[in-house]
Amino acid sequence: EAQVTQNPRYLITVTGKKLTVTCSQNMNHEYMSWYRQDPGLGLRQIYYSMNVEVTDKGDVPEGYKVSRKEKRNFPLILESPSPNQTSLYFCASTASPDRGLAFFGQGTRLTVV
Amino acid sequence: GQQVMQIPQYQHVQEGEDFTTYCNSSTTLSNIQWYKQRPGGHPVFLIQLVKSGEVKKQKRLTFQFGEAKKNSSLHITATQTTDVGTYFCAGYGSGNTGKLIFGQGTTLQVKP
Repeated sequence: EAQVTQNPRYLITVTGKKLTVTCSQNMNHEYMSWYRQDPGLGLRQIYYSMNVEVTDKGDVPEGYKVSRKEKRNFPLILESPSPNQTSLYFCASTASPDRGLAFFGQGTRLTVV
Repeated sequence: GQQVMQIPQYQHVQEGEDFTTYCNSSTTLSNIQWYKQRPGGHPVFLIQLVKSGEVKKQKRLTFQFGEAKKNSSLHITATQTTDVGTYFCAGYGSGNTGKLIFGQGTTLQVKP
């Protein structure tokens, strides 16, 4: 089944403790991206990747890192999480960005205390 | 930077009434995409418009892209309870096909 898999689905962590949210797709898509969703703000792009080893900042990249060492995986790394990074995170992928984001992960609800 | 504004933020309608959400960009868009997110779910891609003045229909949903490619609308005719959710528009700025900007979304509630 074609899908984007995010893990974990829920995470509560403490300020400053490094964490990684994984994202994996099985469709050989070149384009992957990360979003955070906050009430009243919609979805805001954190980082995107057009292909392996090619990543670019979205609108809100501060406090986040990503890597794209292989096509299927696009992990989101929070080196030193802070409470303002408490949010709902989505990973998405598509064969080509001009075709729309056809596949989203199920989301990761992160709470930083 | 580029901004995409969407109005209204919330809309409550009686089942059977029509619904429209509007999307406006601060810059010209190369295309506009629409997504629907059900409560507790993830966004689901609905459609993409590319051409100036383009109109597309999906059953009771009508999507329009403005002549200047800076605004768009989604109109739902005769709403049903299954239409409940948040509708987002999103667009790429001209010349950049990777940075996708979403509007804040319009949350639709339908009273049976």
